[in-house]
Amino acid sequence: GQNIDQPTEMTATEGAIVQINCTYQTSGFNGLFWYQQHAGEAPTFLSYNVLDGLEEKGRFSSFLSRSKGYSYLLLKELQMKDSASYLCALMDSNYQLIWGAGTKLIIKP
Amino acid sequence: IAGITQAPTSQILAAGRRMTLRCTQDMRHNAMYWYRQDLGLGLRLIHYSNTAGTTGKGEVPDGYSVSRANTDDFPLTLASAVPSQTSVYFCASSDLAGEYNEQFFGPGTRLTVL
Repeated sequence: GQNIDQPTEMTATEGAIVQINCTYQTSGFNGLFWYQQHAGEAPTFLSYNVLDGLEEKGRFSSFLSRSKGYSYLLLKELQMKDSASYLCALMDSNYQLIWGAGTKLIIKP
Repeated sequence: IAGITQAPTSQILAAGRRMTLRCTQDMRHNAMYWYRQDLGLGLRLIHYSNTAGTTGKGEVPDGYSVSRANTDDFPLTLASAVPSQTSVYFCASSDLAGEYNEQFFGPGTRLTVL
């Protein structure tokens, strides 16, 4: 079977750094995605990892360890607009996405 | 403007009624998807289509049907709505030959079944 775990909610301070973890178990793996979803809006693509290591894209970075079934999303220089839910999703052997329940990130001034 | 549109934005429906949620994309993506999103749960795949003329069942297909007559449109039909189908429904599309095969989402339809 497949399973994805991520924290339900996290709180961080404006200007700080936050790391959102995602662990998974899967029988087939074709990559791991991170999406951002503001309240009442659609998810939007942030990052994709298929090989081990760190992918950096501006203030956001994503890391993958396939052997550990582990990924994290790192957000630097937090801004109030980063308050959103962050969704971890893995692409299975059928190229379908299996989604975590999401981590609600609250940014405080 | 390129993207995905969904209609209606929201709908209140009596149980037992038939309802079709519309989804149209203009990105010429081959794959399209329907998800439902419920509080505390991840997005769950209802049905998908990898190319026009083909469809497949996702994780929660019961009570829903889809068709893919052409590349752009992927309607989702609830034949006889039940209260447990109250949810936010998202349509998405992707280019299966793209670099990441990331999915692009429509704005969603908020459906309430009473």
